[in-house]
Amino acid sequence: IAGITQAPTSQILAAGRRMTLRCTQDMRHNAMYWYRQDLGLGLRLIHYSNTAGTTGKGEVPDGYSVSRANTDDFPLTLASAVPSQTSVYFCASSERTGGQETQYFGPGTRLLVL
Amino acid sequence: GQNIDQPTEMTATEGAIVQINCTYQTSGFNGLFWYQQHAGEAPTFLSYNVLDGLEEKGRFSSFLSRSKGYSYLLLKELQMKDSASYLCAGVDSNYQLIWGAGTKLIIKP
Repeated sequence: IAGITQAPTSQILAAGRRMTLRCTQDMRHNAMYWYRQDLGLGLRLIHYSNTAGTTGKGEVPDGYSVSRANTDDFPLTLASAVPSQTSVYFCASSERTGGQETQYFGPGTRLLVL
Repeated sequence: GQNIDQPTEMTATEGAIVQINCTYQTSGFNGLFWYQQHAGEAPTFLSYNVLDGLEEKGRFSSFLSRSKGYSYLLLKELQMKDSASYLCAGVDSNYQLIWGAGTKLIIKP
């Protein structure tokens, strides 16, 4: 593994189903982030984690949950998917916390909720 | 409120120069990023400015004016591979990133 990986690459999901998007980084970065990207809108922060064992809410956290059991993994869970959660989801990491740190992005997960 | 404004789309010719502007309104300011994002791919870091002035990195340069709340990304000797979206993001006083919607740059031969 080099950098950040995300799985699955893409997914079609029935509304009401539970789904976990996986994110793993091998750079030993402290901070990790989940964004969604929708056409015509900037990246919107869903949740973040400054270090293993801690998480925080971003701009659009409703309907999503995260956990950070260790440094490398930061899964994002949709408890009961709705069509408005159709989006491209990017996981990112930075060596240290703080918006001034360069963020490194995973390849994204394209999610379609029907 | 906090806001990042950048043009939705720009077109330029291969070999030419293009300037992509970004204006920001943030509560406090701790720097500004430019990222490049090719269609269907992840954003990748281009530059970070926190002081006024121009920073050059090869064909790409980024400029910041803190007094005007303004930045631009300058791309020289455009190549077809520069066709991408360019994302501007400001860092506010809480060190949170505020992202613009991105500028889609189309390069024509």
